Amino acid sequence: QKEVEQNSGPLSVPEGAIASLNCTYSDRGSQSFFWYRQYSGKSPELIMSIYSNGDKEDGRFTAQLNKASQYVSLLIRDSQPSDSATYLCAVNIVGTGGFKTIFGAGTRLFVKA
Amino acid sequence: GAVVSQHPSWVICKSGTSVKIECRSLDFQATTMFWYRQFPKQSLMLMATSNEGSKATYEQGVEKDKFLINHASLTLSTLTVTSAHPEDSSFYICSARPFSAKTFHEQYFGPGTRLTVT
Repeated sequence: QKEVEQNSGPLSVPEGAIASLNCTYSDRGSQSFFWYRQYSGKSPELIMSIYSNGDKEDGRFTAQLNKASQYVSLLIRDSQPSDSATYLCAVNIVGTGGFKTIFGAGTRLFVKA
Repeated sequence: GAVVSQHPSWVICKSGTSVKIECRSLDFQATTMFWYRQFPKQSLMLMATSNEGSKATYEQGVEKDKFLINHASLTLSTLTVTSAHPEDSSFYICSARPFSAKTFHEQYFGPGTRLTVT
């Protein structure tokens, strides 16, 4: 079982719609969860971090975390063509050498104008 | 603030040669730097964790003798790909954790280095 799983997509939504991205993780001890956006040929850009169960909103973005279900999601409201990118779910795992970040394979999102 | 640079941004080398990639934290001191590799249409895979002044911790399956990491100062870590082969062609990305991080998990990514081995 992969440590962080995402639907690879592509997910296609019309401009102005809500895009819903999902992620599951395997390590029950994980405490920190992140969503990154990555444009083609560029490095990841942090969008949201979430540490507690429930919802966290930041502008058009809402992250949702359910630790019991080992599930984290990202909602993008009023989707724009500029939101078209690959969205990476990431989970921090603490080991003997400190924490390390494990990334999912990413979901490609296309927002159609 | 919190800017991380990488040099070079892209490099083409011949098979069998070595390539050095630099990762610098420009406006903060980084106690820990991470090196990732990303193949086309795949996710970032952590290669190693680098702590200033100590040996890097490599992930399972990453050859430490092939991917040499040096974290000689609080603002610079280098990754040297030795005896590069075409299968090493990838996008290499570093990230840095500030010494003064407000949260335990704060890290900042560099822009990446595209390596092509011919």
